[in-house]
Amino acid sequence: KAGVTQTPRYLIKTRGQQVTLSCSPISGHRSVSWYQQTPGQGLQFLFEYFSETQRNKGNFPGRFSGRQFSNSRSEMNVSTLELGDSALYLCASSPRSHRDTEAFFGQGTRLTVV
Amino acid sequence: DQQVKQNSPSLSVQEGRISILNCDYTNSMFDYFLWYKKYPAEGPTFLISISSIKDKNEDGRFTVFLNKSAKHLSLHIVPSQPGDSAVYFCAASDAGNMLTFGGGTRLMVKP
Repeated sequence: KAGVTQTPRYLIKTRGQQVTLSCSPISGHRSVSWYQQTPGQGLQFLFEYFSETQRNKGNFPGRFSGRQFSNSRSEMNVSTLELGDSALYLCASSPRSHRDTEAFFGQGTRLTVV
Repeated sequence: DQQVKQNSPSLSVQEGRISILNCDYTNSMFDYFLWYKKYPAEGPTFLISISSIKDKNEDGRFTVFLNKSAKHLSLHIVPSQPGDSAVYFCAASDAGNMLTFGGGTRLMVKP
């Protein structure tokens, strides 16, 4: 069974640009969550999508947005990039909720903003 | 305001001994807790979880203890092995599907 796949693995962007990250969940999983990991702030929740609808949202500015497609694949978009957006972005999938079974994480996309 | 805290950024233990990783939380609405392990350049992998209706959950070498009155949980690894060296995150959730993570503890198990 294939795991959670995130693309690309590494990305370098310039301040002011926008970026789109992709996450393909485990087959059959309908919940996809996104997290940002930075050395200073640890792992912080961005948002969660379930059946193409945003179900939960963390405390991030509107520059961070996402969507989920009918095949459960999800994309995260960050507009007007800032240096502080440099981080490892992780997505996690679960069938419905991590309370039923654990969330499985992808390897992450390391974004560097210069 | 950090709702989940891991106050020890690092821990060093001898192989074969017990590793105890601690986690404190402030949100009394949290009722489900998890531990994840993370190696460099990989995503976190699930270790063990515990619901607030229990005070202990065991899985092989890993045991999680929950003290609801103290809002404290701990992960015990017995015996510790060099392959356990990684960063360990505790996470908590309420009725929603959002995980709130602690800052992590780097465990180093020395041979």
